[in-house]
Amino acid sequence: QVQLQESGPGLVKTSQTLSLTCTVSGGSISSGGYYWSWIRQHPGKGLEWIGNIYYSGSTYYNTSLKSRVTISLDTSKNQFSLKLSSVTAADTAVYYCARYDRVVVVAATINWFDPWGQGTLVTVSS
Amino acid sequence: QSVLTQPPSVSAAPGQKVTISCSGSSSNIGNNYVSWYQQLPGTAPKLLIYENNKRPSGIPDRFSGSKSGTSATLGITGPQTGDEADYYCGTWDSSLSAVVFGGGTKLTVL
Repeated sequence: QVQLQESGPGLVKTSQTLSLTCTVSGGSISSGGYYWSWIRQHPGKGLEWIGNIYYSGSTYYNTSLKSRVTISLDTSKNQFSLKLSSVTAADTAVYYCARYDRVVVVAATINWFDPWGQGTLVTVSS
Repeated sequence: QSVLTQPPSVSAAPGQKVTISCSGSSSNIGNNYVSWYQQLPGTAPKLLIYENNKRPSGIPDRFSGSKSGTSATLGITGPQTGDEADYYCGTWDSSLSAVVFGGGTKLTVL
């Protein structure tokens, strides 16, 4: 079955760029039909969707983060990546990657995240 | 402040049925489908329910989901101590063009 694993620095300095990679195993990210997503969870808080990338390369971002976020695919490595620029302490969180299913049926959206990576804690500090 | 509203906590005795509510609006739950996630302590969220009421392979049938209007409900029949976790609802918000989640509900099994 498909498995995802996040990797990247656990500590990022204030104002720099946070960069994470999600490696997908057990399936190809370019096989079609799926989106690949990043979600974060601030310490002790709920889930926040960051954005998705479709297998074709089309991207969709949370408007609250859009000006700072870039999600990209590397099909040769079966990976997708997150870059978040100009980070502050407010970006300290556990970052998860996940596969995202989305279907629109008669104007209603069916969507879910499955599976998820184990998550990686990123701390932003000066 | 989450777009979807969940109670912060619920509790239940083993053998009882417990429900967790998720309240939204016509731009999200009212016109889209809901999914539910279980997050055991120290682990990543796991899909529990999708398309309002469908269970992925491997999820016990004591977990159920339903939707009515702009609210959704997760039901757990006969909760076990191993079900103590945070539970999140999620859906698409057509006005925000974004995935939205509830703030999460912590289940305690007494």
